Amino acid sequence: ETGVTQTPRHLVMGMTNKKSLKCEQHLGHNAMYWYKQSAKKPLELMFVYNFKEQTENNSVPSRFSPECPNSSHLFLHLHTLQPEDSALYLCASKVTTKDTQYFGPGTRLTVL
Amino acid sequence: QQQVKQSPQSLIVQKGGISIINCAYENTAFDYFPWYQQFPGKGPALLIAIRPDVSEKKEGRFTISFNKSAKQFSLHIMDSQPGDSATYFCAARASGTYKYIFGTGTRLKVLA
Repeated sequence: ETGVTQTPRHLVMGMTNKKSLKCEQHLGHNAMYWYKQSAKKPLELMFVYNFKEQTENNSVPSRFSPECPNSSHLFLHLHTLQPEDSALYLCASKVTTKDTQYFGPGTRLTVL
Repeated sequence: QQQVKQSPQSLIVQKGGISIINCAYENTAFDYFPWYQQFPGKGPALLIAIRPDVSEKKEGRFTISFNKSAKQFSLHIMDSQPGDSATYFCAARASGTYKYIFGTGTRLKVLA
């Protein structure tokens, strides 16, 4: 158990649905990340939050909307997704001043 | 210039053999090079990491070799075991940033 939890673990949604992914860490970290993992492609950084402030938005389409209410929680709000958005969405966290990221188990998203 | 190129895409090794995975980069601002191990259904977990001021780092059966002039680094798994069967990712991070760039991954299978 890495200390980073993600819910739900699996999600199937239609293109017109609205859903949210949740990430939670109780490691005392203050930087949190969303990544997209697709088959045979590198992990794609989507968003980075540092002390609740967004520091990176890697040209992610607006149908993905992140929210970081505090340093322990990170959400990814989804709406009007496309089938090509189907992937494993990984959350990670770290201490700002340290190098090591800790990943959650991911949410497997399928868009029909 | 932001890419990290990883090879091979897949690797099959006999039990007790040496597994070698290679990565190459272009950005000389990268100053931290981690390797992650990912099992099915799990998020990536840090295996071992190196900074460019050393040429080699060893932790148990896992060794990183780093060639700064060639901008290459590799992971060596000695005495490979079936339990090492997983996907391995190299990554790099530029100094002063929160952004990690990942390779495409290598699926390792160790035959019993």
